[in-house]
Amino acid sequence: EDQVTQSPEALRLQEGESSSLNCSYTVSGLRGLFWYRQDPGKGPEFLFTLYSAGEEKEKERLKATLTKKESFLHITAPKPEDSATYLCAVWDNAGNMLTFGGGTRLMVKP
Amino acid sequence: NAGVTQTPKFQVLKTGQSMTLQCAQDMNHEYMSWYRQDPGMGLRLIHYSVGAGITDQGEVPNGYNVSRSTTEDFPLRLLSAAPSQTSVYFCASGRDRGREQYFGPGTRLTVT
Repeated sequence: EDQVTQSPEALRLQEGESSSLNCSYTVSGLRGLFWYRQDPGKGPEFLFTLYSAGEEKEKERLKATLTKKESFLHITAPKPEDSATYLCAVWDNAGNMLTFGGGTRLMVKP
Repeated sequence: NAGVTQTPKFQVLKTGQSMTLQCAQDMNHEYMSWYRQDPGMGLRLIHYSVGAGITDQGEVPNGYNVSRSTTEDFPLRLLSAAPSQTSVYFCASGRDRGREQYFGPGTRLTVT
């Protein structure tokens, strides 16, 4: 059974204070790892897909990386508008569904 | 493109009532799915479809029914609502299995 664990559950940062969110996963064979952003009262918004270890993707202040056991979402010089819950999900080679982690709630104070 | 649309946005039901949550996408995606999101439980898959006429159960299918008669639409039916079905429901679609899924805005359902 696929398992996805995100840490920390919550993270408070000052504006400009860079940090990383972790997503550890256990799958029989990774087809893809996905990062989403979710704002309160809204649906998850797709950010990145990573397919193989060593792959990196960037978008503005966000950079996602992937190893064989975990993924990191690095946030560089965050702004208050980056405050949201960040979700990680995996799709394995055998399955027909995404398995989500519990999310990291990020709060960036001005 | 409107993307993935869901109606209604909010709904209150009494125990035992039935209703249908609507989901539509205009991206010609083959794969569609329904999730529920509860505090402390994360997103859990209810049902999914890999194409018109094909549906299957996810992690938490009991009490829900789906059908997929067209590529665009994937309604979720609650057969006899129970308080345990109070949740936020999200519909999602993607080009195929294993590809990124795009989510709708959600339906907040309360069962009293």
